Amino acid sequence: IAGITQAPTSQILAAGRRMTLRCTQDMRHNAMYWYRQDLGLGLRLIHYSNTAGTTGKGEVPDGYSVSRANTDDFPLTLASAVPSQTSVYFCARLAGEDTQYFGPGTRLTVL
Amino acid sequence: DQQVKQNSPSLSVQEGRISILNCDYTNSMFDYFLWYKKYPAEGPTFLISISSIKDKNEDGRFTVFLNKSAKHLSLHIVPSQPGDSAVYFCAATYRNSGNTPLVFGKGTRLSVIA
Repeated sequence: IAGITQAPTSQILAAGRRMTLRCTQDMRHNAMYWYRQDLGLGLRLIHYSNTAGTTGKGEVPDGYSVSRANTDDFPLTLASAVPSQTSVYFCARLAGEDTQYFGPGTRLTVL
Repeated sequence: DQQVKQNSPSLSVQEGRISILNCDYTNSMFDYFLWYKKYPAEGPTFLISISSIKDKNEDGRFTVFLNKSAKHLSLHIVPSQPGDSAVYFCAATYRNSGNTPLVFGKGTRLSVIA
């Protein structure tokens, strides 16, 4: 039902390293989103894209960048990872008018 | 300032009884509300939603109630089953935002005890 995949499933990363989290959908929906989930904080929006070629900042964008070269792919890049970016990252796509469907997540640990 | 609040971090309910999860919001522009269920090591799964033009939406064992004047919604699960044990997130959005961002609460962990 979700129609969205994420890779890798998990990753341990040294601080200062660059990392790209991959997200791909097979439903060709326009809008896609990146969230991070932290204990006690729920899900917070990092970046979003309404359509290929456009992106926007969410609630917690600092330290992250995204690109949307085509409809299906929406990678999230950490240019220089820091320990505070240790989190579980979820990519989502918009179906219909308002319902988002989420991928399985990437668990990232920055040491 | 937190726009969507789930004030109960956890809830325990006996199997077969009703589970009631609560959510409050502060932004009066929100006009669409959703509930997601999340199991460990999985992504959130859409459960049920309600538009602000309604006060109730039902889907099988799940019913969402919306009280706009109180800026309050609740999710009722009847009867509760052990498989319902998960973290439940309330989310809200306003449809004219252009990008339909979801604002999430912090979640309530439901434990259904057999």
